[in-house]
Amino acid sequence: SYELTQAPSVSVSPGQTARITCSGETLPRRYAYWYQQKSGQAPVLVIYEDSKRPSGIPERFSGSSSGTMATLTISGAQVEDEADYYCYSTDSSGDLQVFGGGTKLTVL
Amino acid sequence: EVQLVESGGGLVQPGGSLRLSCAASGFTFFSNWMYWVRQAPGKGLVWVSRINSDGRSTTYADSVKGRFTISRDNAKNTLYLQMNSLRVEDTAVYYCASLPDYWGQGTLVTVSS
Repeated sequence: SYELTQAPSVSVSPGQTARITCSGETLPRRYAYWYQQKSGQAPVLVIYEDSKRPSGIPERFSGSSSGTMATLTISGAQVEDEADYYCYSTDSSGDLQVFGGGTKLTVL
Repeated sequence: EVQLVESGGGLVQPGGSLRLSCAASGFTFFSNWMYWVRQAPGKGLVWVSRINSDGRSTTYADSVKGRFTISRDNAKNTLYLQMNSLRVEDTAVYYCASLPDYWGQGTLVTVSS
């Protein structure tokens, strides 16, 4: 089965840049999406199609993808950005969906 | 405003069945592929199943294949998940979603004796 791999945790101080990565063999051919999930809440889309930001998402959130790795960057992370972040994509056929294991971002 | 509202969760014994529903509004439900995603307590998001816009094509994660059935009623703007032969490891919050954009708030399914 297809997998997306994320580091379990990332920690930064307020104002620093947080980078969360996601690796997967089909990422050169398939878009990556990123979700933010705060405790007890449904996921919220923060990046779609590798690098596009939905309306209402702060500009400090950006995305990129190169080869088999996609990266979510939070420039000037704030305390309210503390959350779990999940990447999402599909397998090579586009038929099976997969989420990464999630990265817990701590900002303190 | 887009709304996805799940219902039908609850406590069920191992081997039992449940049917989840998801009422959609605020977007063109009939033209969107729809998905179920679950999250076990303290764990990550896991895709469960998807259905195409007219309901004729479905796919499932290996962990639920043969036990769960996804379906939809476009006339009622409603998505369903029939869950049979439930196992303890199916315990999770089940989200209805129109990926990548829209998610419901989830409904909790607890499988326990």
